[in-house]
Amino acid sequence: DAKTTQPNSMESNEEEPVHLPCNHSTISGTDYIHWYRQLPSQGPEYVIHGLTSNVNNRMASLAIAEDRKSSTLILHRATLRDAAVYYCILATTGANSKLTFGKGITLSVRP
Amino acid sequence: DTGVSQDPRHKITKRGQNVTFRCDPISEHNRLYWYRQTLGQGPEFLTYFQNEAQLEKSRLLSDRFSAERPKGSFSTLEIQRTEQGDSAMYLCASRPGRGFSSYEQYFGPGTRLTVT
Repeated sequence: DAKTTQPNSMESNEEEPVHLPCNHSTISGTDYIHWYRQLPSQGPEYVIHGLTSNVNNRMASLAIAEDRKSSTLILHRATLRDAAVYYCILATTGANSKLTFGKGITLSVRP
Repeated sequence: DTGVSQDPRHKITKRGQNVTFRCDPISEHNRLYWYRQTLGQGPEFLTYFQNEAQLEKSRLLSDRFSAERPKGSFSTLEIQRTEQGDSAMYLCASRPGRGFSSYEQYFGPGTRLTVT
């Protein structure tokens, strides 16, 4: 599975936008970029995914570089509940499509 | 609650004992995954079922580990002769076979195993 690189941690202020970067220079043409997050003492939860175009949903936006070698997860207004570990994962959407997690980026949100 | 459930949530056992965990996926999901997560690390894939068929196993799944999914519904993960290195959070996830959210894995809350 292709590998992703994320900073270890990031801090944000409540109600401000947060940009979480991810590098994936070895991405292949069939790899989708997935983001999951894990709140303390919970299982991971899906945030968003995309292939080439930028994507928006109720939780976040995903901005994908034109060469697909990097992407950014955007939380438009961080809340205290957004404090979590965010994982950037490359995976196909095929039948198996297991997720290969790295260490993720730990987001702290200051009140 | 119609999400993925796991039982028990916590298990403390002595080294050498056998343990079994259960996962109940979302009812219409035919794909089921087991992952293991140790402190400070992201989850690691263990095994995958499509309906009742176990289609992939990680090298992490040693001979002491066995997983089943009879009738394609709930799944069990058994660890025989537990070792202290087995202490971890065991996560189950399920996913629909097709449809709008077929790419999304839904995770349960996990079973935290402590081997003393």
